Amino acid sequence: QLQLQESGPGLVKPSETLSLTCTVSGGSISTTNFYWGWIRQPPGKGLEWIGNTYYGGSTYYNPSLKSRVTISVDTSKNQFSLNLSAVTAADTAVYYCARIFGDSHYFDYWGQGTLVTVSS
Amino acid sequence: DIQMTQSPSSLSAFVGDRVTITCRASQKISRYLNWYQQKPGKAPKLLIYAASSLESGAPPRFSGSGSGTDFTLTISSLQPEDFATYYCQQGYSNPFTFGPGTKVDIK
Repeated sequence: QLQLQESGPGLVKPSETLSLTCTVSGGSISTTNFYWGWIRQPPGKGLEWIGNTYYGGSTYYNPSLKSRVTISVDTSKNQFSLNLSAVTAADTAVYYCARIFGDSHYFDYWGQGTLVTVSS
Repeated sequence: DIQMTQSPSSLSAFVGDRVTITCRASQKISRYLNWYQQKPGKAPKLLIYAASSLESGAPPRFSGSGSGTDFTLTISSLQPEDFATYYCQQGYSNPFTFGPGTKVDIK
């Protein structure tokens, strides 16, 4: 059974960079037809897609965050990562990693989520 | 960006009721529409993909329909474990946007 697990600091200071890693187990990240991505959910609010990566390294991002986001993949560790720079309180959210099926772009496996709070 | 709207934003229903949630896209998205269920403190769970395909393991009381701009999620007989928030999501174009959610609670 595929499992995804987010890890990283739960508290980040304003203007700093938020860094999270998603570790994939029970399957290979180097699988054709699947992308790997990040979604976030501010407390009590809806879901926002952040961006996706493919095991070959190609990426695409939500234009609203593109200037601040980097998603990378490490196939040797079966992991992918999110960096979000210049964070503000508006970036406080539960961050989920997920697997995305090919061209249909649906999220079929999710991590449990990790709360990241931006505060000094 | 493609905007997704859902109606109603919340509803109350009895166990055993038939429930229908509507999702509308601001432009045509063919059948690139997916539905998720989220319970408090948990990650969303995929129920329906490509408008009407039931995800493996999802109960058959869930069904989806629609194409173009208008879509529906139907729960044929609401069960106690179905009380949750439901989100639609378009997979047609970047950015892949979600609807605002429909909260289903007990009447």
